[in-house]
Amino acid sequence: RKEVEQDPGPFNVPEGATVAFNCTYSNSASQSFFWYRQDCRKEPKLLMSVYSSGNEDGRFTAQLNRASQYISLLIRDSKLSDSATYLCVVNPSLGNAGKSTFGDGTTLTVKP
Amino acid sequence: NAGVTQTPKFQVLKTGQSMTLQCAQDMNHNSMYWYRQDPGMGLRLIYYSASEGTTDKGEVPNGYNVSRLNKREFSLRLESAAPSQTSVYFCASNRDRGETQYFGPGTRLLVL
Repeated sequence: RKEVEQDPGPFNVPEGATVAFNCTYSNSASQSFFWYRQDCRKEPKLLMSVYSSGNEDGRFTAQLNRASQYISLLIRDSKLSDSATYLCVVNPSLGNAGKSTFGDGTTLTVKP
Repeated sequence: NAGVTQTPKFQVLKTGQSMTLQCAQDMNHNSMYWYRQDPGMGLRLIYYSASEGTTDKGEVPNGYNVSRLNKREFSLRLESAAPSQTSVYFCASNRDRGETQYFGPGTRLLVL
């Protein structure tokens, strides 16, 4: 079983739709979590951190469920420009320096 | 403030040739990383450096060596390139383990 698993998709949604992605992780001691966005042939860029209490940034909402060991990303009112691959990142407990684990990504295509 | 820079952007090698990929960051980050990303796949950690003077193997270190030249620079060397090393190579850095990673634009390497 992979340490971090994402549904690869692709998710094809119309503009204005709400879409949600989940990411499960296996290490219950994981400390910090992020969502990154990667456009085709470009470097990954931070979308948002994921806090225990959940956090929102405009149309994007990230949540963490430690009991079930998953994080989620909700995108409301999808725009064409949201088309990208979304990567979840899980960071280890202290003492395991540097070994962040990236999911393989979920591809989203937003269509007119 | 350039962030993370990588050179070269593109490179074509013949099997058996050697080359060094350069990475530099100007954010005074302690930790630096080298990843590879194969088409349609996620990021895989090759090597990382948690702080100046230290380096450690990641998930796929075979065929590579690294040097943390100073706090700013972290190079990746292929001693004898193989077609299986055709990939996009990303360098990243962060202030400390568990924090947001910032990525360079990548080096696209083709080994014939």
